[in-house]
Amino acid sequence: EVQLVESGGVLVQPGRSMKLSCAASGFTFSSFPMAWVRQAPTKGLEWVATISTSGGSTYYRDSVKGRFTISRDNAKSTLYLQMDSLRSEDTATYYCTTGLWWGQGVMVTVSS
Amino acid sequence: DIQLTQSPASLSASPDEIVTITCQASQDIGSSLLWYQQKPGKSPQLLIYSATILADGVPSRFSGSRSGTQYSLKISRLQVEDIGTYYCLQVSSSPDTFGAGTKLELK
Repeated sequence: EVQLVESGGVLVQPGRSMKLSCAASGFTFSSFPMAWVRQAPTKGLEWVATISTSGGSTYYRDSVKGRFTISRDNAKSTLYLQMDSLRSEDTATYYCTTGLWWGQGVMVTVSS
Repeated sequence: DIQLTQSPASLSASPDEIVTITCQASQDIGSSLLWYQQKPGKSPQLLIYSATILADGVPSRFSGSRSGTQYSLKISRLQVEDIGTYYCLQVSSSPDTFGAGTKLELK
């Protein structure tokens, strides 16, 4: 059974940092590009970042460039999202996804 | 960035009705379009990829089509369990972009 399990979400103050993790199982993690997608409360889906299978290529939406870093550890079948200089507009549920498979999501709240 | 204009924003339909949702791309994206269904409080589920290919396990009443830069998702006979919000996603060029969503409700 394929599983993507996100963790690390919490309440954080503006300007602070947070790191999300996504543990994958049930498929060959190293063979799939991976992405983070977020959804603000009551809003639509928004692509955040994508990483290639090797981790050698990364892509970001403009609003997170220079603040967020996507990475992966294929030996641990884990995807990460390092989020720095967080803003209130980053408040959302964050999903890791292969496109086909999705995690259950983790809530990130940025508030003072 | 490529824009996807999704319509309608909301839709009310009766069981067994035919439902069609469209996404208009701002430029050529070929077949690089996916459709997702999201139920309240749940993660999105892939329905269609490469514009017209049904994902494994998805009921055959769902279908995708393309005409130029306009893409459509059709539900041939609406079932109660089809209620939710539908999104299109283009993966032709970065940044990947989603349509704004179509909320489908029962009449």
